[in-house]
This record gives sequence, C-alpha cells and structure tokens, in this order.
Amino acid sequence: KQEVTQIPAALSVPEGENLVLNCSFTDSAIYNLQWFRQDPGKGLTSLLLIQSSQREQTSGRLNASLDKSSGRSTLYIAASQPGDSATYLCAVQAAGNKLTFGGGTRVLVKP
Amino acid sequence: DTEVTQTPKHLVMGMTNKKSLKCEQHMGHRAMYWYKQKAKKPPELMFVYSYEKLSINESVPSRFSPECPNSSLLNLHLHALQPEDSALYLCASSPSENIREKLFFGSGTQLSVL
Repeated sequence: KQEVTQIPAALSVPEGENLVLNCSFTDSAIYNLQWFRQDPGKGLTSLLLIQSSQREQTSGRLNASLDKSSGRSTLYIAASQPGDSATYLCAVQAAGNKLTFGGGTRVLVKP
Repeated sequence: DTEVTQTPKHLVMGMTNKKSLKCEQHMGHRAMYWYKQKAKKPPELMFVYSYEKLSINESVPSRFSPECPNSSLLNLHLHALQPEDSALYLCASSPSENIREKLFFGSGTQLSVL
C-alpha cells in the first residue's frame, strides 16, 4: 500500500528565505506527483505536476524535483513571501487513478 | 472558466436531515471526484465518476449517495449522517480519468453534523 510522508509537518521562516519542502513515497510505481497548496478551510490549488518520466518542473518561484527511484520529491519556493503561508500537500498518482496524499507541511512566512 | 464551484460553502445538519452538496464545472471535464477531508488530515477519495458513470466507490457508507446528472454537475446526497461525518467535502474534476492529467479542486463544503 502506498504511503506518502511529508517532513517537516510545520515550518516557520522569515520573509525572503527560501523554502524547502520534502515528500517521500514508499512505492516508486507512480505515474505522476502533484504539489498542491491549501489555505485554511479552502480547497486545493494545483501548483505543479511532475510526470514519472520527468525530473523537475518549474513555475515562477516554484521548482519541484522528482527522484522516482528513491521515492522522493522536493518543492523549493524561492524568496518566500507572507502570501506563501499555507499548507502544502504532495500527492502521488498510481494505478486506479487514485491520488494518495501526504499529511502536508504547514508553512508560515513571517514579515 | 477554469473553476470548480461547490455549493453551499457551509452546511449544518442534524442526524435525521437529508441534504445535498452540489458541484459544477464548465471546463468540459469528463471525470469528477468527491473527496472528504477531516481537520488537519489529507483528503481521502470517496467517489470517481467518468463520463457520468460511477467508476470508483471507495467503500463509502450508503448514507452518502453520489449522483452525476450530466457532464457538468456532480451531487452528493446526504442522509442520516453521523457527527463523525463532519468534514470538508471537496469536489474535483479532470479532463478525463487519464492518470496523467491535473485535478482541479473546488473550495469545498464545510459540513457539520449535530
């Protein structure tokens, strides 16, 4: 059974610092990995989707890497801003078109 | 229009009530999903509809009854719920059930069962 773990569970940084969020998964037979952002009590916003054949994806200040063989992905957010404060979730997609989510990392960026 | 719209945003219901959650998208997506998210936990898949047919039911209790009347609309009918069913219910859609496609989520319905 696929298990997805995100470390750390919570992170607090001063504005301007780079953020590094980690995601690990136990079964490397995945089709893709997505990173989502969730604000309190709200839905999920898809940030980046990395196909299993890709090594990284970039969008603006966000960069996500994927090492399928070691079961790891990292989300980098450059020059963090208070508006980046949210919970970040990674999810892997495997057979059966099911997303398995990690527990999330709660990020607080202090002005 | 790149939105998935869910109504209502908040719902309080008693254990004997019958209510429905509604989800709508106008992106032409043919796969729609219901997820349940308890506080400070990740979302968990409940149902998947593909081309208006139920394709996945994750052993959800029958007090939750999904319905997909057309390709743009997804409902979740609720009856005789329990307090432990209180959660954020999220709807999502994707172009198809193709595993390589991104999911688009709505803002959710925060449900409280008294």
